[in-house]
Amino acid sequence: DSGVTQTPKHLITATGQRVTLRCSPRSGDLSVYWYQQSLDQGLQFLIQYYNGEERAKGNILERFSAQQFPDLHSELNLSSLELGDSALYFCASSVGGRDKETQYFGPGTRLLVL
Amino acid sequence: AQSVTQLGSHVSVSEGALVLLRCNYSSSVPPYLFWYVQYPNQGLQLLLKYTSAATLVKGINGFEAEFKKSETSFHLTKPSAHMSDAAEYFCAVITSGAGSYQLTFGKGTKLSVIP
Repeated sequence: DSGVTQTPKHLITATGQRVTLRCSPRSGDLSVYWYQQSLDQGLQFLIQYYNGEERAKGNILERFSAQQFPDLHSELNLSSLELGDSALYFCASSVGGRDKETQYFGPGTRLLVL
Repeated sequence: AQSVTQLGSHVSVSEGALVLLRCNYSSSVPPYLFWYVQYPNQGLQLLLKYTSAATLVKGINGFEAEFKKSETSFHLTKPSAHMSDAAEYFCAVITSGAGSYQLTFGKGTKLSVIP
């Protein structure tokens, strides 16, 4: 158990809908990362937050957005969903978002768009 | 941009045999490298990481990796495979920009262990 929790574990929805994925980092970690794992794209970095502020953006679509709240949990919002958004979405956390730090991954949310 | 390449999307070994999973990096500066393992229907777990201290890094579950600058490699090895090692393994490098650091992953190598 990494200490990172993600809800829900599974999500099935329809095209055009909007969903919210939730992540709680390990106790004491200030940095949260979101990654997407799909069969065709592999594991890709989406976005990083540090202590409530956006730190970096990766291959995140404009239909996707995220935020980190004062209690440090984070939410990833996916809107106008398409079939191709079906994937496993991971959240990871680290202490300060620095280069040598280990990122601890949650169990993921499996999203299926029908 | 820093990247990693994992050679072999599938590797099969017999139980008790040597495990060798290959990873080569592309970086103009000394990289920070990681190996993660993903068991079926689970998240990623860190096996080990290289952060420019010792070139031979020991990790969990008997795995180790050696950083070889001359070969730009960071191959993962285990002397004797166990059935429980069957999983997908990802090599990753830290990429940075404007004060932020993210993991860039290889495409993964699925390890099968044959009894």
